[in-house]
Amino acid sequence: QVRLQQWGAGHLQPSATLSLTCAVYGGSFSGYYWSWIRQAPGKGLEWLGESNPSVSAIYNPSLKTRVTISMDTSKNQFSLNLRSVTAADTAVYYCARMIVGAVAYDIWGQGTKVTVSS
Amino acid sequence: QSVLTQPPSASGTPGQRVTISCSGSSSNIEKNIVNWYQQLPGTAPRLLIYSNTQRPSGVPDRFSGSKSDTSASLTINGLQSDDEADYYCATWDDSLNARVFGGGTKLTV
Repeated sequence: QVRLQQWGAGHLQPSATLSLTCAVYGGSFSGYYWSWIRQAPGKGLEWLGESNPSVSAIYNPSLKTRVTISMDTSKNQFSLNLRSVTAADTAVYYCARMIVGAVAYDIWGQGTKVTVSS
Repeated sequence: QSVLTQPPSASGTPGQRVTISCSGSSSNIEKNIVNWYQQLPGTAPRLLIYSNTQRPSGVPDRFSGSKSDTSASLTINGLQSDDEADYYCATWDDSLNARVFGGGTKLTV
């Protein structure tokens, strides 16, 4: 049974860097794409980006200058860095596994609530 | 404002059939796979339908998906109280070069 466990700071000051990590347990790491998706309070889902250990990451153009997704194949983990955060980045952040053929997110992390405020 | 338009709400009574629409364009739904997600209150989304019409293992056959031209639909037959959730469509947009989600539909049973 594949499981994603994510963690990171839940409260940030404006202009700080948001850092979250997601660990993959119980399944292949290299054979899938790994994604970050967020949900602002009371709002819908927003794709941030995705990557695979073999290819370069792709990002949402609206956030491209601030976001980085990195992979650690030795630990079966992937991470999200979002720079220069503002209150607009307050959201629940989810990591997710993407099935390549279906381009669908079949396994999700539990979500991390991140609040940006001074 | 999402490029995929869903009705903000839908409702039905137990046993009824409900259909949730997802309207897009030639740069997204018409050329790409559509997936559907269910999000129960306070939980992470769950994949409900992938590749337009396919159900993952464990999803009841009461749920079905379809796609035609620039629109997609999710149909729930035999509505149950625990179907009460938010539902999102998703696909790739060739113009935005991004994966996009619909704004979500809150289903009340």
